[in-house]
Amino acid sequence: GDSVTQMEGPVTLSEEAFLTINCTYTATGYPSLFWYVQYPGEGLQLLLKATKADDKGSNKGFEATYRKETTSFHLEKGSVQVSDSAVYFCALNTGGFKTIFGAGTRLFVKA
Amino acid sequence: DTGVSQDPRHKITKRGQNVTFRCDPISEHNRLYWYRQTLGQGPEFLTYFQNEAQLEKSRLLSDRFSAERPKGSFSTLEIQRTEQGDSAMYLCASSPIGDNWDTEAFFGQGTRLTVV
Repeated sequence: GDSVTQMEGPVTLSEEAFLTINCTYTATGYPSLFWYVQYPGEGLQLLLKATKADDKGSNKGFEATYRKETTSFHLEKGSVQVSDSAVYFCALNTGGFKTIFGAGTRLFVKA
Repeated sequence: DTGVSQDPRHKITKRGQNVTFRCDPISEHNRLYWYRQTLGQGPEFLTYFQNEAQLEKSRLLSDRFSAERPKGSFSTLEIQRTEQGDSAMYLCASSPIGDNWDTEAFFGQGTRLTVV
């Protein structure tokens, strides 16, 4: 079945470091891909999305490119801030009501 | 609009008791979803409503679980005869109806259930 695999955390970085969180997927169709973020004490929020191959989603300095050839959707940010500390979830939807999430990657950013 | 609201935020119950959770979606959203999230895992789909119609239930949703959305607005999720394995965060999400399924889903803060 469809699935999402993302790198295990926690990831600990110093402020202004470069961030990459890897995400790969398995899907029978052509999914839309998402990154959701969960800040401490808050609900999941959509961070960015991409709906077709080679699309780049971006928001708040984060970006991810839909790579069909490698079935990947890695999240990147050039310079992280303490306020980026959160849990990040990669997810996919193949055109139905069900969104499939990865296990999440916790990010800690130190000042 | 204050977003998706869930009540209660926390629930501790004894094994064998029944519990009910409520979700109030964003008012103009026709689609409503329930997910379950256990520690260290991502959310897992439980069920989906379009207006008042429950259109899909996951196999994760045993016969002890029932969800309703009687007037197409708020929804309830009931768990009967709770078991320790039911301990999890129960998330509700809503989204506006549209042609595409890549429309953003808005999540509530969840109800954390602990079965002792």
